[in-house]
Amino acid sequence: AQSVSQHNHHVILSEAASLELGCNYSYGGTVNLFWYVQYPGQHLQLLLKYFSGDPLVKGIKGFEAEFIKSKFSFNLRKPSVQWSDTAEYFCAVTYNQGGKLIFGQGTELSVKP
Amino acid sequence: GAGVSQSPSNKVTEKGKDVELRCDPISGHTALYWYRQRLGQGLEFLIYFQGNSAPDKSGLPSDRFSAERTGESVSTLTIQRTQQEDSAVYLCASSLGQGHYNEQFFGPGTRLTVL
Repeated sequence: AQSVSQHNHHVILSEAASLELGCNYSYGGTVNLFWYVQYPGQHLQLLLKYFSGDPLVKGIKGFEAEFIKSKFSFNLRKPSVQWSDTAEYFCAVTYNQGGKLIFGQGTELSVKP
Repeated sequence: GAGVSQSPSNKVTEKGKDVELRCDPISGHTALYWYRQRLGQGLEFLIYFQGNSAPDKSGLPSDRFSAERTGESVSTLTIQRTQQEDSAVYLCASSLGQGHYNEQFFGPGTRLTVL
């Protein structure tokens, strides 16, 4: 079955610490990969996406993610987090050029000032 | 411009009652999606509409769930004979077209509580 897993349910960091959130997906054909973020009280919004080409993708607010096909992974990174990065982060995948998103369980990130 | 809107924002109902949730997509968006998020879980795909094509209903969990969309506008998700396990946040998203290339824009969700 097509599925996405996120390794960390809750991550707590201090400001300026580096961040890496894990995401793995099951094999199911051609994939496109996404990270979404939901800030407290706000809608879910797109952080970055990978369709093809350079496996290192840069998104908004200094986030980046690396697609490693051999590991079925798409981990999210940020070199130095800020208090304003406190949010819930969701990894999502579409398979075989379909439109429906398959989401991971989400990772709640808390950044201490 | 206006984003995706959903109503009501909160709905509390008794087990066994029917509920209707509404989604207004972004104007001009031909694709519309419904997802739900149960407590402590990720978002689950329910159904999507693309133009006049037959909807993809593959994510609907039971025949108590149904959805309609009039043209390329409003959609309603109906849950009949609600059960406690239906309690969740129901999210609607829309995009310019079908397929993975089109970013999905999400609404604020409807929080459904079944007592």
